[in-house]
Amino acid sequence: GQNIDQPTEMTATEGAIVQINCTYQTSGFNGLFWYQQHAGEAPTFLSYNVLDGLEEKGRFSSFLSRSKGYSYLLLKELQMKDSASYLCAVADYGQNFVFGPGTRLSVLP
Amino acid sequence: KAGVTQTPRYLIKTRGQQVTLSCSPISGHRSVSWYQQTPGQGLQFLFEYFSETQRNKGNFPGRFSGRQFSNSRSEMNVSTLELGDSALYLCASSPGTSGPMEQYFGPGTRLTVT
Repeated sequence: GQNIDQPTEMTATEGAIVQINCTYQTSGFNGLFWYQQHAGEAPTFLSYNVLDGLEEKGRFSSFLSRSKGYSYLLLKELQMKDSASYLCAVADYGQNFVFGPGTRLSVLP
Repeated sequence: KAGVTQTPRYLIKTRGQQVTLSCSPISGHRSVSWYQQTPGQGLQFLFEYFSETQRNKGNFPGRFSGRQFSNSRSEMNVSTLELGDSALYLCASSPGTSGPMEQYFGPGTRLTVT
C-alpha cells in the first residue's frame, strides 16, 4: 500500500530553525518532493531528492534516507511568510505522485 | 512564460449533474496531472496525461475521466456528481519527458456540489 506520514501541525518562532519530517511506504520510489502551499493558493515546488543525502537550496534543505523511508525538510532563519502547509510527495513510478497529508507550519513573531 | 491556467475558478453544481474542468499547461509541457484536494483527504492523484494518452491513474471511480488534446490542454469530467465531490481540483504540468519532475500547479477550480 501507499502511506506517507507527516506531523499535522508545527509552530516555530521567527528566526528559528524547524525540521519537518516525512516517512513513507510506497510500492515504488522514483524520488521525493517537497511543496509549499499557502492558504488558498496552489502548491509550489521546493525541493527534490532521489539519492540519499542532503540537498541545500538557500534557507531550505531536504534530506533523504531511502533505506529508512524517511525525509525531512529543514527551514532556517524562519520568516513570517514561511507560515504555510508543507507537503511531502513520493513519485512511486513515472509521474504517479503520492502526497502526504501536509504539515501546517505557523511562524510566530 | 505564462503559468498553468484553470477554468472556471469556481463552480456550483447540483448532485447528479456533470461537470467539465479545463486546464492549460505551461507552454512546452506535455504532461498534465489532475488532483483532488479536500481538508480530510489532502491531495489525491486522479490521473496523468502525456501526449494525449492517459499514462497513470489513481484510485477514483469511473465517474472521473479526463482527456488531453494535441495542444496539451486537458479537461477532466465528473459525471453524476455527489456531495463528496466538493473539493478543490488542481491540475499540474511538467515537461514529463523523462522520469518524475517538479510539477507546476494551477490555481485550481473550487467545485461545490449541493
